[in-house]
Amino acid sequence: RKEVEQDPGPFNVPEGATVAFNCTYSNSASQSFFWYRQDCRKEPKLLMSVYSSGNEDGRFTAQLNRASQYISLLIRDSKLSDSATYLCVVNRERDSSYKLIFGSGTRLLVRP
Amino acid sequence: SAVISQKPSRDICQRGTSLTIQCQVDSQVTMMFWYRQQPGQSLTLIATANQGSEATYESGFVIDKFPISRPNLTFSTLTVSNMSPEDSSIYLCSVEYYSGQYFGPGTRLTVT
Repeated sequence: RKEVEQDPGPFNVPEGATVAFNCTYSNSASQSFFWYRQDCRKEPKLLMSVYSSGNEDGRFTAQLNRASQYISLLIRDSKLSDSATYLCVVNRERDSSYKLIFGSGTRLLVRP
Repeated sequence: SAVISQKPSRDICQRGTSLTIQCQVDSQVTMMFWYRQQPGQSLTLIATANQGSEATYESGFVIDKFPISRPNLTFSTLTVSNMSPEDSSIYLCSVEYYSGQYFGPGTRLTVT
């Protein structure tokens, strides 16, 4: 089983749609959780951290369910510029917040 | 977040040769990391480079193949030694901030 699993997609949605991505992780000791965005042939960029209480940044909402070891990202009112690959990222060890494990990514295509 | 640059941005190298990749950050950072992203894959951590100590390598990566230098708090190099076509990949450096990790633009390496 992969340490971080994501649906590879692609998710093909119209502009204005709401889309949700899910991610599961296998290490119950993981303490830090992130969503990154990666555009084609570019480096990953930090989109948002994910907190136990859930957090929102504009059109983006992230949720964490520790009991189920599950992370989600919700994008409302999708824009063409949201088209990218979204990477679910967790830290590997309780005492090593910086050792990150990257999921293989979920590709999003937003069409006009 | 920091401004991170890498050199070269891309290179085509012959089998058996070595390439040194440079990573420069515009502010002092304690922790720097080197990742590899193989075609169609997600990121894999190669090693952690802290100033003043030996790099710490992840399972599957060894110092003889990927020697790393970290001479000061703003600079690091990764050498890919005795290259084979399997080393064709994007190599990225990253730095750790309280909010997460930030990546350089990457070095696209093709080994022929």
